[in-house]
Amino acid sequence: NAGVMQNPRHLVRRRGQEARLRCSPMKGHSHVYWYRQLPEEGLKFMVYLQKENIIDESGMPKERFSAEFPKEGPSILRIQQVVRGDSAAYFCASSPQGVSGNTIYFGEGSWLTVV
Amino acid sequence: AQTVTQSQPEMSVQEAETVTLSCTYDTSENNYYLFWYKQPPSRQMILVIRQEAYKQQNATENRFSVNFQKAAKSFSLKISDSQLGDTAMYFCAFVNTGTASKLTFGTGTRLQVTL
Repeated sequence: NAGVMQNPRHLVRRRGQEARLRCSPMKGHSHVYWYRQLPEEGLKFMVYLQKENIIDESGMPKERFSAEFPKEGPSILRIQQVVRGDSAAYFCASSPQGVSGNTIYFGEGSWLTVV
Repeated sequence: AQTVTQSQPEMSVQEAETVTLSCTYDTSENNYYLFWYKQPPSRQMILVIRQEAYKQQNATENRFSVNFQKAAKSFSLKISDSQLGDTAMYFCAFVNTGTASKLTFGTGTRLQVTL
């Protein structure tokens, strides 16, 4: 049973380019979460999605960032016009239900470096 | 807003010894869950242990146990018989019941296990 799959693992972008990070949840999981980890910090919640719906995007920056989880295919975190401050590790997690306290399973992260 | 505080940025322990990592949190809620995650050099987030606030009994997973003091809002992690493979960043995390898996993380404690 494959775990949460994220790709790419490492991504380098120049300032002003777009970054797309993909996440395939564990089999049977329909709830996806994105977290960001800045250097030397803990993870911070960004967005919670179910299939075709954004449930909670309270941690997402208002500009340049967007997320989707289509009916078919992986969840995508999209960052437009990247800046150096976007350099971070982006973790995706999934759970079978959106119930608080459910164990959520993290992927191995995608490291974005903006040069 | 909930906050999680880990006051020990770095800790060191000798192999086979016991070490305790501290975590305090702040919330006005009565029902919630607490977690300890391990992030080894591979950077993957691995769940170590989970505690439900309504349970008085401290959670235990093999060599890992917690000391949950609800009144003091304290949730420390004890690692017994430390092994070299325990070297990692350890993050304490909190989630309110009813907020799905929107975890709040502490800033982490870097644990080094030495020979």
